[in-house]
Amino acid sequence: EVQLVQSGAEVKKPGESLRISCKGSGYTFITHWITWVRQTPGKGLEWMGRIDPSDSYTNYSPSFQGHVTISADKSISTAFLQWSSLKASDTAMYYCARLRYSSGWPDSWGQGTLVTVSS
Amino acid sequence: EIVMTQSPATLSVSPGERATLSCRASQSVSSNLAWYQQKPGQAPRLLIYGASTRATGIPARFSGSGSGTEFTLTISSLQSEDFAVYYCQQYNNWPQTFGQGTKLEIK
Repeated sequence: EVQLVQSGAEVKKPGESLRISCKGSGYTFITHWITWVRQTPGKGLEWMGRIDPSDSYTNYSPSFQGHVTISADKSISTAFLQWSSLKASDTAMYYCARLRYSSGWPDSWGQGTLVTVSS
Repeated sequence: EIVMTQSPATLSVSPGERATLSCRASQSVSSNLAWYQQKPGQAPRLLIYGASTRATGIPARFSGSGSGTEFTLTISSLQSEDFAVYYCQQYNNWPQTFGQGTKLEIK
């Protein structure tokens, strides 16, 4: 069974850094791209970017380019989403998902990581 | 980026009846469209890809149709577990984009 297990909820202050994770199992991790999706009540579901775990090649949505960093460690079948300086507007639920192929649809999703940024 | 517009925002239907949800793209996405179901506190679940192909394990009462800019998700006979929020998503162009969702509620 394909599973993506994300790290737990985080509460941070503005300006702090954060890295959340997404561990894949039940399939060969390097054969499927991973994407990150943000969900907020105001803007709904938003694509952030995607990574090819085989070589860590990444694409970012223009809305998120420069604001987050997506990475992966294929030795531990884990993808990461990272911020260097959080803002209150980063408060959201973040999902990782496995793409069916590089430009395809997400066919399996993680359970989500809630990030709260508040002073 | 491509804007996906779903209608209606909320749909009230009685159990056992048919529900029809619509999704429109601001430009053609060919058949590169997926539908997802999301229940409170859960991640989205893939229902349909390629506009009309059911994902593994999805009951036959769910069907998708359309191509280009107009798409429909039909649930033929609503079960209690089908009341949720439904999203369409295009993956024809980067960045891939989602509709704002249709909430399917019990009438």
